[in-house]
Amino acid sequence: GNSVTQMEGPVTLSEEAFLTINCTYTATGYPSLFWYVQYPGEGLQLLLKATKADDKGSNKGFEATYRKETTSFHLEKGSVQVSDSAVYFCALKDSGGSNYKLTFGKGTLLTVNP
Amino acid sequence: GAVVSQHPSRVICKSGTSVKIECRSLDFQATTMFWYRQFPKQSLMLMATSNEGSKATYEQGVEKDKFLINHASLTLSTLTVTSAHPEDSSFYICSAWGSGDSYEQYFGPGTRLTVT
Repeated sequence: GNSVTQMEGPVTLSEEAFLTINCTYTATGYPSLFWYVQYPGEGLQLLLKATKADDKGSNKGFEATYRKETTSFHLEKGSVQVSDSAVYFCALKDSGGSNYKLTFGKGTLLTVNP
Repeated sequence: GAVVSQHPSRVICKSGTSVKIECRSLDFQATTMFWYRQFPKQSLMLMATSNEGSKATYEQGVEKDKFLINHASLTLSTLTVTSAHPEDSSFYICSAWGSGDSYEQYFGPGTRLTVT
């Protein structure tokens, strides 16, 4: 079955540091890949997505590239801010089926200190 | 973008009572909605897939008689936690794929349930 493995946190960085959160996946076919962010006490928001190999998703300074050869979708940001403190989830949607379930990684808590 | 709302945002109930949580798609129709449960500092666990006009599909290990799901219209799904116990205390989140868009799943803000 499908699975997503992401770097376990917590990750603590100083403001303006470089961020990488690793994510690898196992899936049949050609899944779509997502990063979601969850701020304290809130639901999830889509941060970025990539639907095919070599696609790069980007938003708010965050980037992730769909690497089929390494089955990875690592999240990066060149300079984090305190407001980026949140939990980040990597997820995939299978290319087959009709109910479009998402499979989530366990989440990585990021804390950015001023 | 599409908006999914949940009501209530927080609820406290006594052990043995039932609680209903509503999930609405505000500006689009959703034939399929999903219900998740999230424990503190953990990932989302898919509980069930809610299908408009038909029975929900529950994930393995989820008690369908305890977590009743009704998807009576294209914009509303409800989750009822029956005979709640303290171990049912959790953060419940619903979601739906945007109408005509299979590449973004929109999440509700979540409902914090505390059973005393």
